[in-house]
Amino acid sequence: NAGVTQTPKFRVLKTGQSMTLLCAQDMNHEYMYWYRQDPGMGLRLIHYSVGEGTTAKGEVPDGYNVSRLKKQNFLLGLESAAPSQTSVYFCASSIGGGGTYNEQFFGPGTRLTVL
Amino acid sequence: AQSVTQLDSQVPVFEEAPVELRCNYSSSVSVYLFWYVQYPNQGLQLLLKYLSGSTLVKGINGFEAEFNKSQTSFHLRKPSVHISDTAEYFCAVTKSGGYQKVTFGTGTKLQVIP
Repeated sequence: NAGVTQTPKFRVLKTGQSMTLLCAQDMNHEYMYWYRQDPGMGLRLIHYSVGEGTTAKGEVPDGYNVSRLKKQNFLLGLESAAPSQTSVYFCASSIGGGGTYNEQFFGPGTRLTVL
Repeated sequence: AQSVTQLDSQVPVFEEAPVELRCNYSSSVSVYLFWYVQYPNQGLQLLLKYLSGSTLVKGINGFEAEFNKSQTSFHLRKPSVHISDTAEYFCAVTKSGGYQKVTFGTGTKLQVIP
């Protein structure tokens, strides 16, 4: 099993450009998440999904959109990139959403720089 | 609301010395606790978890953690560290039932000095 994979690994954007980050998991997990990691701030939840066709906002959703058309994929979109979105983005998945079922499996991350 | 505090942002320790990484949480209900490790330029991976039962939890790579309900702590320990343990460690807390947010601490960077 590949686990959780993310595409691309690195990306440099100019302010105002758009892009989509792709996350794929092969563990048949129901829940998927997008986090951003910034120095000294830990992980902050951007959006999450509790199943195919559903999405919900996390702590820091502004400037991002997501879609979960297929159970195994979770896409994160930036419509008009801003320098404040320079970060490392992690996708994660879990079997369920509470307690032990919320053990999360992470992808390797995407390092995004917005100039 | 739940929260996690990792007071130490960086912990330097000599190789083969013991180490303790501190984690305190706050929650009004029963919790589940996790420690994740992040090696340089990689994603997070689970080190160990406390769900219920014995308060001493053993994880991978010789790490263990002790759940202390009265002190609301879940400190991570290793009796003898190796260079390869150099990484960032995150404590996390969640609750049971339905969808429950996982709250991560801000991380502790463990620097093992040869």
